[in-house]
Amino acid sequence: SQQGEEDPQALSIQEGENATMNCSYKTSINNLQWYRQNSGRGLVHLILIRSNEREKHSGRLRVTLDTSKKSSSLLITASRAADTASYFCATDAGADGLTFGKGTHLIIQP
Amino acid sequence: NAGVTQTPKFQVLKTGQSMTLQCAQDMNHEYMSWYRQDPGMGLRLIHYSVGAGITDQGEVPNGYNVSRSTTEDFPLRLLSAAPSQTSVYFCASSPWGVGETQYFGPGTRLLVL
Repeated sequence: SQQGEEDPQALSIQEGENATMNCSYKTSINNLQWYRQNSGRGLVHLILIRSNEREKHSGRLRVTLDTSKKSSSLLITASRAADTASYFCATDAGADGLTFGKGTHLIIQP
Repeated sequence: NAGVTQTPKFQVLKTGQSMTLQCAQDMNHEYMSWYRQDPGMGLRLIHYSVGAGITDQGEVPNGYNVSRSTTEDFPLRLLSAAPSQTSVYFCASSPWGVGETQYFGPGTRLLVL
């Protein structure tokens, strides 16, 4: 079952601009995680935000969580060509593993 | 540390053949899991293990077996490959469970003809 759904499915911006992608989910969660996947590679963990947290920062990344709306957003500021990748949200709802969305494919134009 | 390693990187099988996808981690993690990634579907959990000797099914376990005889290794066996099992397979580990950072391997790309 698909718990998280990212929006948009694809995003193309100019280098230096900010990129925002959203994730919606269906059931109550313990935490929500964001991962990055470069083409043909494994997933790399970016940020974990717990259900009692509303915002978290890591370098150029900012994640928000709104449990009342069952949604999260990932903001990447001052984008770089190296940020080109697919971004996935994954939820931990107390089940056995993470439930991933389908991802947002981000392209940074030089 | 090598982290999470997976072999092979790429494999072609014929329908009905069996094979084992290898996964190993050198971080002394208790929790390990297998996911498959299909185009447009995100990752789906196949099997997971919370420690040596303990395994359980995830969302899509049919056609796959796992075992966990050591903390380090978590092989995934395809019993009789089917074209529907064409996918990219990722192994992941974490210190104790799903509610923390998962460390992913580089993946195995499997094509079943």
